[in-house]
Amino acid sequence: EAQVTQNPRYLITVTGKKLTVTCSQNMNHEYMSWYRQDPGLGLRQIYYSMNVEVTDKGDVPEGYKVSRKEKRNFPLILESPSPNQTSLYFCASSFLGRLDSPLHFGNGTRLTVT
Amino acid sequence: SQQGEEDPQALSIQEGENATMNCSYKTSINNLQWYRQNSGRGLVHLILIRSNEREKHSGRLRVTLDTSKKSSSLLITASRAADTASYFCATDAGNRDDKIIFGKGTRLHILP
Repeated sequence: EAQVTQNPRYLITVTGKKLTVTCSQNMNHEYMSWYRQDPGLGLRQIYYSMNVEVTDKGDVPEGYKVSRKEKRNFPLILESPSPNQTSLYFCASSFLGRLDSPLHFGNGTRLTVT
Repeated sequence: SQQGEEDPQALSIQEGENATMNCSYKTSINNLQWYRQNSGRGLVHLILIRSNEREKHSGRLRVTLDTSKKSSSLLITASRAADTASYFCATDAGNRDDKIIFGKGTRLHILP
């Protein structure tokens, strides 16, 4: 089944404790992206990647890192999480960038930083 | 930067009625897409419309695009309870970069 898999679904952590949210897609998509969703703010793009070893900042990249060492995986790394990073996170992928093809979303990761 | 803005923020209609949502954006685009989100779940793609298209249909969905007004509308005809969800438009950044920007969404509630 074609899908985008995010893990974990729920995560509670403490300020400063490094964490990684994994994202994997099995559709051989070129484009992958991370979003955070907050009430009243919609979805905001954190980072995106057009291909292996190519990553770019979205609108809210501060406090996050990503890597694209393999085409299928695009992990989101929070080196030192803070409470303002408490949010619902989504990974998405598409065959082409620039909305030339549909985005496929994972089921989300709800992160709480205390 | 906020590219797409949906209007209204929330909409309640009776089952069977039509629902119309609008999306406005600020800069030129190549493509615009509409998505549905059910209660905190992942977004689901509904329809893609390109900048050289004016209207597209998919089942009960009709999307229009007016590039001169930098706006798009999503019409859901003969609404059903299952259409209750949040709807988002997404736009690219034209040829400036590869960002994809979502609006804040319209929350649609279908009343029985």
